[in-house]
Amino acid sequence: GENVEQHPSTLSVQEGDSAVIKCTYSDSASNYFPWYKQELGKRPQLIIDIRSNVGEKKDQRIAVTLNKTAKHFSLHITETQPEDSAVYFCAASIRTGGFKTIFGAGTRLFVKA
Amino acid sequence: NAGVTQTPKFQVLKTGQSMTLQCAQDMNHNSMYWYRQDPGMGLRLIYYSASEGTTDKGEVPNGYNVSRLNKREFSLRLESAAPSQTSVYFCASTRGQGALGQETQYFGPGTRLLVL
Repeated sequence: GENVEQHPSTLSVQEGDSAVIKCTYSDSASNYFPWYKQELGKRPQLIIDIRSNVGEKKDQRIAVTLNKTAKHFSLHITETQPEDSAVYFCAASIRTGGFKTIFGAGTRLFVKA
Repeated sequence: NAGVTQTPKFQVLKTGQSMTLQCAQDMNHNSMYWYRQDPGMGLRLIYYSASEGTTDKGEVPNGYNVSRLNKREFSLRLESAAPSQTSVYFCASTRGQGALGQETQYFGPGTRLLVL
């Protein structure tokens, strides 16, 4: 069935370094790829999204890239700060009759001051 | 605006008991969703409601029922709780003006459920 794999499961970086989280999806019909940030004990919140007709999108220190041929998409966070520490989830969404959104298992990011 | 609200925040049930999780949104959104979140498994869709009056199964619907009471409210019912339903449950909503599932999802604060 449809699957989204997310790597790594845990990522530790020094403050100011960059962090990269990668996801792969299985269904080539996926056409919407959101990223959510979830702080400890809080609700997930959208931080950036990309649609299949776009290869890259940037919002300040956050960028997402999409390679439809390889079915890969990645989240890049530059100049990391301690408040970036959280769990990040990728997802792939398909509009098929109803819809289907499959989430990755999450990456726990630690930013060390 | 309170956004998406959920009650209760935390619940302990015994196996076989029933309960209803409540969700409401005040953003005039058309579409609402129920997810469960388990460690190491991300979020999995249980049921969704594209618009008032409609509901559909998601990825893991077994053991659950839903009711879209009106445009604001979407409840999730466990008829006979099982330990496998121990999880954190999130309700979410989207405007529902574009392609379903392809708009920003606004999540509630979650309900932590423990089934003994």
